[in-house]
Amino acid sequence: EVQLVEAGGGLVQPGGSLKLSCATSGFIFSAAPMFWVRQAPGKGLEWLGRIRIKTKNYATTYAASIKGRFTISRDDSRNTAFLQMDSLRAEDTALYYCTTSYSFGSVFFDYWGQGTLVTVSS
Amino acid sequence: SYELTQPPSVSVSPGHTARITCSGDALPTQYAYWYQQKSGQAPVLVIYEDAKRPSGIPERFSGSSSGTVATLTISGAQVEDEADYYCYSTDSSADLWFFGTGTQVSVL
Repeated sequence: EVQLVEAGGGLVQPGGSLKLSCATSGFIFSAAPMFWVRQAPGKGLEWLGRIRIKTKNYATTYAASIKGRFTISRDDSRNTAFLQMDSLRAEDTALYYCTTSYSFGSVFFDYWGQGTLVTVSS
Repeated sequence: SYELTQPPSVSVSPGHTARITCSGDALPTQYAYWYQQKSGQAPVLVIYEDAKRPSGIPERFSGSSSGTVATLTISGAQVEDEADYYCYSTDSSADLWFFGTGTQVSVL
């Protein structure tokens, strides 16, 4: 069974930092690009960024809204992805999901965690 | 910044057909994906690469794309199809990804 479990959310003051983790199991993590997506309360989905696999040099891409403040990383030995969030703002308050999607042969895989809530408030 | 535009809401009677559109300038060259999100749940992929259906997704869900518009069709909508639906695609760089504005589907 595939599992993605986000952790590390909570209440943080504006300007503060938080590091989210996404522990995975049930698929070949090292062969899967990892993505982070967030959803502000009552709002739509927002793609935040991606980290590619080792053979793609762990290349990262970020949405304009978080570029320079957030950093995506991964530890293939622990099957875990991370989202380091710095200089947090009230508008970063959201449910943060990690997700992966990839093709293997003729099959397309798409997996999501249940999310971890981040609240930025004084 | 790239935008994928969807209608805010669509209403359909049970057993009838709902169509949700997604407009984006890069859609002629980039695939569209569609996610269903029910209240309090994580999104679920219902269509990938414009028109392919993942395993376990009912056949009443279908997708198509023509020019700058991708369409998700729910044929014979069921009450359990009530949800928010988001299209998802990349811009012309194929490096940045975006979700559509979302469409709330009501089946009543």
